[in-house]
Amino acid sequence: DADVTQTPRNRITKTGKRIMLECSQTKGHDRMYWYRQDPGLGLRLIYYSFDVKDINKGEISDGYSVSRQAQAKFSLSLESAIPNQTALYFCATSETGSYNEQFFGPGTRLTVL
Amino acid sequence: RKEVEQDPGPFNVPEGATVAFNCTYSNSASQSFFWYRQDCRKEPKLLMSVYSSGNEDGRFTAQLNRASQYISLLIRDSKLSDSATYLCVVNRGADSWGKLQFGAGTQVVVTP
Repeated sequence: DADVTQTPRNRITKTGKRIMLECSQTKGHDRMYWYRQDPGLGLRLIYYSFDVKDINKGEISDGYSVSRQAQAKFSLSLESAIPNQTALYFCATSETGSYNEQFFGPGTRLTVL
Repeated sequence: RKEVEQDPGPFNVPEGATVAFNCTYSNSASQSFFWYRQDCRKEPKLLMSVYSSGNEDGRFTAQLNRASQYISLLIRDSKLSDSATYLCVVNRGADSWGKLQFGAGTQVVVTP
């Protein structure tokens, strides 16, 4: 079984709808991250959490919210989806530390019509 | 200016040849450097960390030049399976552990 899983893997929704993307991990890592990837751009950090009680905004948090339900679960919500939120979304985890490799989930392809 | 810049490519490489490419970063306080590999629309995976003294992992060699603020990746004896996008990744400074800045990637296509 994959260490980092994301659901759904693909989602098509309409403008104005609320949508939640879920991430679960079995790696036992404290740190979790949400990124989005757009063609021609690097991954951009949306939100990150260094432990269950710690939530921080990344560089592009507007229009998104997150919830860290447990060490293993970190969900991303789009309160009112808009077309420019169409992207590939990745969840990642890492251990605490400086040279901390991040392990990514398989991604969720989201299309907002 | 982007924090991490890469030549998008593609670098078309005959099988067995050597290919090398660089990445420049703008934050002089960055402490950690990585190369990730991403296959088409799949998740990025760590290829190798980049250490100050340079490091090698099989056919892959990574170098760091702090003075000029760039890192490089060299692939020797290219295999068809090396075809992928290579992401340059840099942390955002000493007080930003865990916060990484990703380049947009360099595409490598290895041809028979």
